[in-house]
Amino acid sequence: GEDVEQSLFLSVREGDSSVINCTYTDSSSTYLYWYKQEPGAGLQLLTYIFSNMDMKQDQRLTVLLNKKDKHLSLRIADTQTGDSAIYFCAEGGAGFQKLVFGTGTRLLVSP
Amino acid sequence: EAGVAQSPRYKIIEKRQSVAFWCNPISGHATLYWYQQILGQGPKLLIQFQNNGVVDDSQLPKDRFSAERLKGVDSTLKIQPAKLEDSAVYLCASLSSGGEYTDTQYFGPGTRLTVL
Repeated sequence: GEDVEQSLFLSVREGDSSVINCTYTDSSSTYLYWYKQEPGAGLQLLTYIFSNMDMKQDQRLTVLLNKKDKHLSLRIADTQTGDSAIYFCAEGGAGFQKLVFGTGTRLLVSP
Repeated sequence: EAGVAQSPRYKIIEKRQSVAFWCNPISGHATLYWYQQILGQGPKLLIQFQNNGVVDDSQLPKDRFSAERLKGVDSTLKIQPAKLEDSAVYLCASLSSGGEYTDTQYFGPGTRLTVL
């Protein structure tokens, strides 16, 4: 079955790097996503990675994918207080298949 | 480009009452999703439409939940009667395909439902 797990909480200081981890079970997933959710807001797509890639970099964001271990991580460089939010990883297939979300990791950035 | 619109943003009802939520997807997006997000959890798909047809409603509690997308644009999600465990944020998303963000779902701000 489909299952996506994340650690619940991460606390870092402003300027440090943050690494949020995710494990998934569906090896047929075509895309893996990272979404950000701020209080009272909907989900904002941050980045995504195709399952045939190992790494993707997008400005301060680096996504690493270990297909063998079904492990996905999101690294945020130079973390800012505005990065404080809940981060969800999600797996999905190609086309119109549904997204399966993890439980979310709450990132707290302190000054 | 306007985003996914949802209304109302907040709703408080008593158990056994009925409630309806509305979603207007991004213009031109044929695929529309409704998700339920219970506090402390990730969103869970309730129903997926392709134009005005249902693609996946396997996790929709059909004894009390219903959804429609009659003209293939706006959608409504209804709960009748509501239970305490229905308290959640209901998120609507629509799908864009092609371009840089192939197969990306865009989410609305959600409707927060509290059932007392």
